[in-house]
Amino acid sequence: EAQVTQNPRYLITVTGKKLTVTCSQNMNHEYMSWYRQDPGLGLRQIYYSMNVEVTDKGDVPEGYKVSRKEKRNFPLILESPSPNQTSLYFCASSSPGNSYNEQFFGPGTRLTVL
Amino acid sequence: GQQLNQSPQSMFIQEGEDVSMNCTSSSIFNTWLWYKQEPGEGPVLLIALYKAGELTSNGRLTAQFGITRKDSFLNISASIPSDVGIYFCAGQRISGYALNFGKGTSLLVTP
Repeated sequence: EAQVTQNPRYLITVTGKKLTVTCSQNMNHEYMSWYRQDPGLGLRQIYYSMNVEVTDKGDVPEGYKVSRKEKRNFPLILESPSPNQTSLYFCASSSPGNSYNEQFFGPGTRLTVL
Repeated sequence: GQQLNQSPQSMFIQEGEDVSMNCTSSSIFNTWLWYKQEPGEGPVLLIALYKAGELTSNGRLTAQFGITRKDSFLNISASIPSDVGIYFCAGQRISGYALNFGKGTSLLVTP
């Protein structure tokens, strides 16, 4: 089954404790992206990657890092999480070279930083 | 990226009613998309629009790509309880790449 998976689905942590949210897709997509969703603000892009070893900042990159060492994986790293990073996070992937280039979203990771 | 203006923010309707929501932008997009998000899930694509003026249907859903390329609307006819969710519009300047989202329309349907 074609899908985007994220782990963990839920995470409660404390300020300053480094964490990584993993994202993996099995569709051989070149483009992957991370969004955060906050009440009243919709979804905002954090980082994106157009292919392996190619990453760039989205609209709200502060406090986040990413890496793209393999095509299928795009982890989101919070080196020193803070309470304002409490949010619902979505990973998405697509294949811009195809004529139908729908972005597929993962199920989300709900992060709480105390 | 620019966040789109989506309205209404929420709708509370009775089963069987038609629903209309829209999205506007101050700049041009080359692709407009409409997503639905249900509780505990990621957004799922409903309709994608690739040409100005395009009108596309998906069952009871109909969406249009505005002729100016700065707006789009989504209609749902004869709503049913399973239509409940948050509907997001999204614009893309380059198809397949970054999405600029609206803030969402929360739809509640009572039987």
